[in-house]
Amino acid sequence: KAGVTQTPRYLIKTRGQQVTLSCSPISGHRSVSWYQQTPGQGLQFLFEYFSETQRNKGNFPGRFSGRQFSNSRSEMNVSTLELGDSALYLCASSLAGGSFFADTQYFGPGTRLTVL
Amino acid sequence: GQQVMQIPQYQHVQEGEDFTTYCNSSTTLSNIQWYKQRPGGHPVFLIQLVKSGEVKKQKRLTFQFGEAKKNSSLHITATQTTDVGTYFCAEHQMNRDDKIIFGKGTRLHILP
Repeated sequence: KAGVTQTPRYLIKTRGQQVTLSCSPISGHRSVSWYQQTPGQGLQFLFEYFSETQRNKGNFPGRFSGRQFSNSRSEMNVSTLELGDSALYLCASSLAGGSFFADTQYFGPGTRLTVL
Repeated sequence: GQQVMQIPQYQHVQEGEDFTTYCNSSTTLSNIQWYKQRPGGHPVFLIQLVKSGEVKKQKRLTFQFGEAKKNSSLHITATQTTDVGTYFCAEHQMNRDDKIIFGKGTRLHILP
């Protein structure tokens, strides 16, 4: 069974631009979560989608948004990029048949975003 | 934002020595998960603890959840070079809108 895939793997943008990242979960997984990882702040939860609905949300500004499609694939969008948005963005999928933490989360390789 | 306390931040041990990392929260947790991230890799789920006082073992790894469900630990016995990486705990706090908070991780370095 294929793992979680994320595209693109690397991205360079300039301040003020916007970016869209994509995540394809493991086949059969209905939950997709997004995380931001930086050396200073560590791993921070952005949001979780389940059956095309945002079920949980972290403490990030409204510039960060996401969505999930009927095939469970998810996209994350960041508008008006700032230098501090440079980070590794990870998505994780799980079966999520019950509560959010009921299942193992499988992480993708991440998208490395650099904002210049 | 609030960050779960994970200590130590770094740990260097000789191969064969034991290693322990701790997570502490000021609030009662619904459950806690542990992850390992190898250098250049992505986090890999290790285990989830749910019950008060729960202890789970995976080969040389022992995971504990405190009686009050406010702290947890991961202990590795007789470390090997394959144990190198950063170990994260992720807390699910009760009555906090299902917020998921990761510790900053403990980076383990093994000296040969």
